[in-house]
Amino acid sequence: DTGVSQDPRHKITKRGQNVTFRCDPISEHNRLYWYRQTLGQGPEFLTYFQNEAQLEKSRLLSNRFSAERPKGSFSTLEIQRTEQGDSAMYLCASRAFLGDEQFFGPGTRLTVL
Amino acid sequence: KNEVEQSPQNLTAQEGEFITINCSYSVGISALHWLQQHPGGGIVSLFMLSSGKKKHGRLIATINIQEKHSSLHITASHPRDSAVYICAASKIQGAQKLVFGQGTRLTINP
Repeated sequence: DTGVSQDPRHKITKRGQNVTFRCDPISEHNRLYWYRQTLGQGPEFLTYFQNEAQLEKSRLLSNRFSAERPKGSFSTLEIQRTEQGDSAMYLCASRAFLGDEQFFGPGTRLTVL
Repeated sequence: KNEVEQSPQNLTAQEGEFITINCSYSVGISALHWLQQHPGGGIVSLFMLSSGKKKHGRLIATINIQEKHSSLHITASHPRDSAVYICAASKIQGAQKLVFGQGTRLTINP
């Protein structure tokens, strides 16, 4: 399968724990996006990478959130000291350098108890 | 006011009906996307358009750049079309991130 993959698909954690999600984009897609979707809402932009450089971050991304893309391939999104309000679907998408279309992964559903 | 507004938020129809979902946007865009999301969360791109009209099977998407408005139509709707349909705008500047509407939950009854 050469689509975007995300791991894990589901994560249940207790408030205060740290969690890390991984996204593997389509190979050779140098642009990578993280979005967050809460129940009943459309997704919201979190952050954007071009190759390994994190070029844009949303104000939604508090200092408890950090994202990396160390080698310009896969990316990780870490949430420290999780709160119940962090419960959401975290979506990753990748895009080719000259393309407009974003290809989405299946998402990681986070539940914070 | 959200940069991308969709209507209706919920739509229930009978099999065979013609469906229209509307999207208005207020940002400068490089493209307008229509996406489909099934239960479980996966998002699939249906259309990406910057002008005119596109058709794929029973789905038609149109955009009016001057009015900043797009519509998604489904002809001869079928229960398998039941899903959430999301309109999203690629912003011209910077990351060209997607700005999403709230989505329209479509239910087609047999």
